[in-house]
Amino acid sequence: NAGVTQTPKFRILKIGQSMTLQCTQDMNHNYMYWYRQDPGMGLKLIYYSVGAGITDKGEVPNGYNVSRSTTEDFPLRLELAAPSQTSVYFCASSYSGAEGGSTYEQYFGPGTRLTVT
Amino acid sequence: SQKIEQNSEALNIQEGKTATLTCNYTNYSPAYLQWYRQDPGRGPVFLLLIRENEKEKRKERLKVTFDTTLKQSLFHITASQPADSATYLCALGGRALTFGSGTRLQVQP
Repeated sequence: NAGVTQTPKFRILKIGQSMTLQCTQDMNHNYMYWYRQDPGMGLKLIYYSVGAGITDKGEVPNGYNVSRSTTEDFPLRLELAAPSQTSVYFCASSYSGAEGGSTYEQYFGPGTRLTVT
Repeated sequence: SQKIEQNSEALNIQEGKTATLTCNYTNYSPAYLQWYRQDPGRGPVFLLLIRENEKEKRKERLKVTFDTTLKQSLFHITASQPADSATYLCALGGRALTFGSGTRLQVQP
């Protein structure tokens, strides 16, 4: 199992450009998440998904969009990039099953370091 | 609003000693509290989860306590090793997590 993979590892964007951060997991997890981490700070939740076709906003969703068409993939779209979106972005996944079969531990990808100039 | 506080100052201890990290929170009543380890340039790695009805949880050299009255969790690493040097993050919740900013632990040989 590769776990959670993210691409690209690094990206520099100009203000106003758009891009999609890719996230894939091969653990058949139904929950997936996007967080951002600014230097010296904790992670802040951007969006999350409880399964294919279902997404919900987290603490800091403005400026981002997500979709979940498959169990495996959860891309994060940045429209009209701004310097405030300079951060490290982490994708994570977790599993929720029938009673007693859920685990709450989240598995994180290696992150995408994004700079907007 | 919810607030989580972890000591922003690095904790420096000698190898073999017990490291104790603190997580305090306000305006929140989490059913679960989780601890993660993060190494530089990497994503967080899950360590332990404790439920609101549990006072203490252990895993090998790790121990977590959860005091819902004080709104505080303590994270202990016994017999610490240089390999334990990392940033440790406290997170509230079971699914959509709210993270603290983490405490950096440095274990000196």
